[in-house]
Amino acid sequence: NAGVMQNPRHLVRRRGQEARLRCSPMKGHSHVYWYRQLPEEGLKFMVYLQKENIIDESGMPKERFSAEFPKEGPSILRIQQVVRGDSAAYFCASSPGLAGRGYNEQFFGPGTRLTVL
Amino acid sequence: GENVEQHPSTLSVQEGDSAVIKCTYSDSASNYFPWYKQELGKRPQLIIDIRSNVGEKKDQRIAVTLNKTAKHFSLHITETQPEDSAVYFCAASWDPGGGNKLTFGTGTQLKVEL
Repeated sequence: NAGVMQNPRHLVRRRGQEARLRCSPMKGHSHVYWYRQLPEEGLKFMVYLQKENIIDESGMPKERFSAEFPKEGPSILRIQQVVRGDSAAYFCASSPGLAGRGYNEQFFGPGTRLTVL
Repeated sequence: GENVEQHPSTLSVQEGDSAVIKCTYSDSASNYFPWYKQELGKRPQLIIDIRSNVGEKKDQRIAVTLNKTAKHFSLHITETQPEDSAVYFCAASWDPGGGNKLTFGTGTQLKVEL
């Protein structure tokens, strides 16, 4: 049973370029979360998605950032016109999304480390 | 929104001693409290979690306690080993029954010395 997969693991972009980060949830998981971790800091929530729906994007900057989780394929976090302050580790997590459970554990992928030059 | 505070930021213990990390949360509606361990350059790994209808949960050398009245929860690691050295994060969430975002504490760097 493969865990949460993310690619690329490392991404280098120059200022003004676009960054696309991909996340494939664990088998059987229908909910995906994206978190950002700045160097030596904690994890900050960005966006919560189910298939074809954004449930909560309250942690995502209004400009330049977008996320999707299409019916087929991985979830994608897209950052347009990257700036140096976007340099961070971006983790996605997935959970079963089972309404009958009282809680749903989130399991994290290995992260994508974005460096903006 | 939810706010989670975590203390201490660094903790150094001798091998075999116990370690305790404490967190407080602000939203009384939160009902799910996981703890994650993150080694340098690695993903956060879920090590234990607790729901609001339980006061304590134990898994081998790890235990978590929850005080809903005080909005306080703690991680206890007994008989610490060098491989326990890592950053530990607490988190809180209100899960209505399908999932929800986690609000994390700022982390505790635990160092277990030989």
